[in-house]
This record gives sequence, structure tokens and C-alpha cells, in this order.
Amino acid sequence: DAGVTQSPTHLIKTRGQQVTLRCSPKSGHDTVSWYQQALGQGPQFIFQYYEEEERQRGNFPDRFSGHQFPNYSSELNVNALLLGDSALYLCASSLIQGNGYTFGSGTRLTVV
Amino acid sequence: KQEVTQIPAALSVPEGENLVLNCSFTDSAIYNLQWFRQDPGKGLTSLLLIQSSQREQTSGRLNASLDKSSGRSTLYIAASQPGDSATYLCAVNSGYSTLTFGKGTMLLVSP
Repeated sequence: DAGVTQSPTHLIKTRGQQVTLRCSPKSGHDTVSWYQQALGQGPQFIFQYYEEEERQRGNFPDRFSGHQFPNYSSELNVNALLLGDSALYLCASSLIQGNGYTFGSGTRLTVV
Repeated sequence: KQEVTQIPAALSVPEGENLVLNCSFTDSAIYNLQWFRQDPGKGLTSLLLIQSSQREQTSGRLNASLDKSSGRSTLYIAASQPGDSATYLCAVNSGYSTLTFGKGTMLLVSP
């Protein structure tokens, strides 16, 4: 049973560019959440998708957007990248009831 | 707004010791609490999930307890091993299907 798959594993972008990160949830899960983890910090909630709609959103600017597809996979898009966007981006899947989350290995984004 | 604090921030112990990691949260109205392990630069591995109605959960050498009324959870690791070296994160689900994390406890177990 495949867990959560994220791609790419590492990414280097230049300030001002746009980036797309991808996530495939664990089989049987219908909800995808995205988290940003800066070095030495705990993960911070970005947003959550269920039934192809954004259900909850954390304290992140509109430069951060996402999408969920009919097969439950999801994308995280970040526009106009800033140096401060450099972080590990984690995808978590669950059932909508939120009864336990499974995380992927993350995408390490470096903005130079 | 839920806030989660983990103490200590870092811990170094010799192999074989029993140890306790602490997690406190400000809003006791939680749905469940989950402990994760994170190796450097890697994703999160779920260790234990405790529902709000439960007092503890056990998996192998790990035991997690929950005292919802006092806003506390502990993760007990028995007979620690060098392979236990990692950062341990506590995350609270307050019922809105999102997790609030602490900053973690970085554990180093030396041979």
C-alpha cells in the first residue's frame, strides 16, 4: 500500500519565479493538506483540499495556491518566490474526519 | 488559537536510558494528538495517535499519554537506542482537520 508521494524531492528556484509541487495521497485517503517547515521549526499549515476545493487555509498569502484533482492528488503553487519561501514543503493525506495523518517525505525548496 | 510547546528543545542521553518528552497545548478542546518522528531533512513518520477519549497508547518501546484537562501529553521511550536519534514532534488536531505542531525535541542517543 503506497504511502504519500511527493515530487520533486529537491528544487532550486530564483526569486520572482513560480514553482509547482505535487503530491499523491495514500490509497484510500480523500483529503490533502500542505505544510511549510522552516529550518528548526515545526510545520505550519498552509491549506487543505477536499472534494477538489480548498477547505481550510492557514496564515499564508495569496501567492500560495493549490489544486486537488479528481484522483485526490494535489498541487501546491507558489508565485513570485521570495527568499523566505525556502523551506521543506510537506504534504499530508487523511480521511476528512482527520483521524490520523500520513506525511510524505517532502520537497526541499531553495530560493536564491 | 491553539499553541503547542515541547520541552526540552534538545536532549542527549546514553544508550539504554529511559526518557520522557513533554508536549503542552493551550486549548484542551482537542480531537486527537499525534506524535511524529522526523529524521534530518526528511518527512514525518507517525509514531502514535491518541484520541481525545483515550489516556494512552503504546507501540513497542514507545508509550504516549494524554491528559486533556491539563493540556499535556508525554512520550516515553524505553531503553533508548542510537537509532532513536531524531526530532520528535507533537501535533494537536483541534477538530478542524488541521494540525498544530510544536517545534520539536531533538534527541541524540549516544552508544
